Amino acid sequence: DQQVKQNSPSLSVQEGRISILNCDYTNSMFDYFLWYKKYPAEGPTFLISISSIKDKNEDGRFTVFLNKSAKHLSLHIVPSQPGDSAVYFCAARTYGNKLVFGAGTILRVKS
Amino acid sequence: NAGVMQNPRHLVRRRGQEARLRCSPMKGHSHVYWYRQLPEEGLKFMVYLQKENIIDESGMPKERFSAEFPKEGPSILRIQQVVRGDSAAYFCASSRALEETQYFGPGTRLLVL
Repeated sequence: DQQVKQNSPSLSVQEGRISILNCDYTNSMFDYFLWYKKYPAEGPTFLISISSIKDKNEDGRFTVFLNKSAKHLSLHIVPSQPGDSAVYFCAARTYGNKLVFGAGTILRVKS
Repeated sequence: NAGVMQNPRHLVRRRGQEARLRCSPMKGHSHVYWYRQLPEEGLKFMVYLQKENIIDESGMPKERFSAEFPKEGPSILRIQQVVRGDSAAYFCASSRALEETQYFGPGTRLLVL
């Protein structure tokens, strides 16, 4: 039962343009959402998060949008840089601080 | 300001052997979580521990797997009698308190031959 889905396995974007990564979820009990970035052979690195009571959170080049009615969130990166090339995981928090992860989206930023 | 430490980074075991994975949380963090990532998949929750207590082990297989977080020393994830299907990346995360952001270690890549 996949409660968090990232339907795009990969995304390719030109340097300087906007990257939009999407995530859908099914469990309305999730109260917090996070995005992690992961390079090969490393652990996930926390990027940005959003509480379920908000619809937007911004941190520098990264903005996360939450649409609760659609059970959808997205991560916007602008402008995209080659160093942003990595796997991006969407995660949702459930009871007991347990995180449920999507399968990830590979982002490639071309210079 | 050291992050979450995991060792070993790579571990090779033959079927039937035991694997011990260690995790030292970030300084000041008393909550530890273990996740497993199979190839081409996202991370899956296994177990959540605080010092000397297992809080939630709902994601951990009932047999062969155990976890501990003693009063002194790192958290240990132990897999007995490993099988090829245990081959995966095992990540540990820590947080300062419940409902605070989890920060991940570099992972241990277990290969079972």
